Amino acid sequence: AQSVTQPDIHITVSEGASLELRCNYSYGATPYLFWYVQSPGQGLQLLLKYFSGDTLVQGIKGFEAEFKRSQSSFNLRKPSVHWSDAAEYFCAVGAGRDDKIIFGKGTRLHILP
Amino acid sequence: DVKVTQSSRYLVKRTGEKVFLECVQDMDHENMFWYRQDPGLGLRLIYFSYDVKMKEKGDIPEGYSVSREKKERFSLILESASTNQTSMYLCASSLPGSSVEQFFGPGTRLTVL
Repeated sequence: AQSVTQPDIHITVSEGASLELRCNYSYGATPYLFWYVQSPGQGLQLLLKYFSGDTLVQGIKGFEAEFKRSQSSFNLRKPSVHWSDAAEYFCAVGAGRDDKIIFGKGTRLHILP
Repeated sequence: DVKVTQSSRYLVKRTGEKVFLECVQDMDHENMFWYRQDPGLGLRLIYFSYDVKMKEKGDIPEGYSVSREKKERFSLILESASTNQTSMYLCASSLPGSSVEQFFGPGTRLTVL
């Protein structure tokens, strides 16, 4: 069965520092992978997605993610975080045979001024 | 601008009441989804629908039912609300396929007393 693991429940970084959020997936075939962000009191918004081609994917708000098949990972990165990036981030995998998406449990990002 | 709207942002109900959560999308999407979001558990799929009058159980359907009489509207029903159904409920819609983005509403925070 497909699954997504986000090992870090909380991450704290200083404003201006670089960021990497980890995501590991379990899926037998080539996965469809997503990163969503949820700002406080809001629904989820898509940051980026990967389904084929270049393994480095650019998204909105200056985020990027790299698909590494050998490590079953799809880590999210940003070179310099802003206070407005404080939110919860969800990694997700497309479930293949049907139209469902499996979400990880999320990583909450805190930004220090 | 694409939009998924949910009928209430906050709702307080009493144990045993019948509760209706409404979701409307204006993107002519075939797929619609209901999730509940709880701290530390991420998003869990309750029900989804591929088309009008069609529904499929998700991972946690117990205690819930759904209705989709029109393509744009997907209702979640709690037949007899219980305190363990206190949660954030998120609706989403998408085109067919597991590689496509799901668009989320802002969520309804339901408290059952």
